[in-house]
Amino acid sequence: DGGITQSPKYLFRKEGQNVTLSCEQNLNHDAMYWYRQDPGQGLRLIYYSQIVNDFQKGDIAEGYSVSREKKESFPLTVTSAQKNPTAFYLCASIRGGPQNTEAFFGQGTRLTVV
Amino acid sequence: RKEVEQDPGPFNVPEGATVAFNCTYSNSASQSFFWYRQDCRKEPKLLMSVYSSGNEDGRFTAQLNRASQYISLLIRDSKLSDSATYLCVVNPGSARQLTFGSGTQLTVLP
Repeated sequence: DGGITQSPKYLFRKEGQNVTLSCEQNLNHDAMYWYRQDPGQGLRLIYYSQIVNDFQKGDIAEGYSVSREKKESFPLTVTSAQKNPTAFYLCASIRGGPQNTEAFFGQGTRLTVV
Repeated sequence: RKEVEQDPGPFNVPEGATVAFNCTYSNSASQSFFWYRQDCRKEPKLLMSVYSSGNEDGRFTAQLNRASQYISLLIRDSKLSDSATYLCVVNPGSARQLTFGSGTQLTVLP
C-alpha cells in the first residue's frame, strides 16, 4: 500500500544535540511538508519542497534544516540552534497541482528534549 | 489577522446533538477548502473537501461562503466517536498549498 512513513515515532534529544527525523513516501507525490504542532495548537509550517533539490522556508524555519535529494525522501534535522524543540512533528505530502491538494500525513514523531 | 481562524472551543455536546463549527480565512484568492479531523496524539486525516455548492457526507455537511470568506462544518446526530479536533484547511493558491487553522476541539458526552 502507498503511504507516508515517519520515523522514529518517539525521539529523545539531549541539549545541544542535532537529530534527524525521517520522512519517506511512496505515493509519487511532488510536494512534501514539515509541520510542528505544540500541545493544544495548530500546525505550523517549518519547511516545504515542491520538487527534488528545491525547498523553501516556512513560518518557523529557524533552528531546522532539510534536504530533498530524492522525490521519496524529505528528512528534517532539528539543530542545536532550535531552543525549544519539544513538539510533535508531522510530515505531509501532496501530489501537486490546483486540483490535487489533499494532504497525506505520516504518523508523526514526538520529540522530547531531556 | 491570522490567515485561517477557528473558534478553539472546546465544544462539549451530548450524544445526538447537532454542532456547527465556523472558520474564517483572510485571502480572498483562496482556491480550495477542507476539513480535517485529528484524534489525540495522531496525525490529521481528511474528513471532507468543501465545494462552492456545499456538500454532504452522511451526518456531515460542509458549506462555503466566499462573499464572507468562511466555511462551516455541521455534524448531526453526534456520536461519541466524533470526539476529536477539527481542523479547517485552506489552499491560498500559493506554493505553500495548505494553511491550517488551530483547530476546534469537540467532545461528545454520553
